[in-house]
Amino acid sequence: DADVTQTPRNRITKTGKRIMLECSQTKGHDRMYWYRQDPGLGLRLIYYSFDVKDINKGEISDGYSVSRQAQAKFSLSLESAIPNQTALYFCATSDQQGYQETQYFGPGTRLLVL
Amino acid sequence: GNSVTQMEGPVTLSEEAFLTINCTYTATGYPSLFWYVQYPGEGLQLLLKATKADDKGSNKGFEATYRKETTSFHLEKGSVQVSDSAVYFCALSGGSARQLTFGSGTQLTVLP
Repeated sequence: DADVTQTPRNRITKTGKRIMLECSQTKGHDRMYWYRQDPGLGLRLIYYSFDVKDINKGEISDGYSVSRQAQAKFSLSLESAIPNQTALYFCATSDQQGYQETQYFGPGTRLLVL
Repeated sequence: GNSVTQMEGPVTLSEEAFLTINCTYTATGYPSLFWYVQYPGEGLQLLLKATKADDKGSNKGFEATYRKETTSFHLEKGSVQVSDSAVYFCALSGGSARQLTFGSGTQLTVLP
């Protein structure tokens, strides 16, 4: 079984709709992240969480919100989806040990906003 | 702020050719450096990493050396295979949150 899972894997929605992307992990890591990937731009950080009571904005948080329901679950919401939020979204986890932090990624959710 | 500049693609090579993908960075402090690989339809996987100057990361025949004097972390492989076809991302981990900053990715296609 995959250590980091994302649901759904693909989603088509309409402008103005609220949608939620979910991420679960079985690695026991405290840190979780949400990124979006756009062609030619690499991955950009949306939000991150160091534990259940800690939520932080990343580089591009506008238009998004998150919820850390448990150590293993971190959800990303688009309150009112717009077409330029069409992208590939990745969840990641990490367990920092000194400066050797490595992030482990889920398979991604492909979102299309019409 | 932190940034990563990566060699633009796409890169197309014949099987058994030598591969270099250039990566340079700008960062304060002492970042850790990473190469991630993304195969078609999949998430990112860690390929290799280096945590301090002059460290060499290696995995699956790929290598990269952390060069602080040139702020570089170039990826190399002596003989590529068709199965190496993927997108490669250079990244650094830095800042108070140790978040990853990614380059734009380089698409590699290896032809038989």
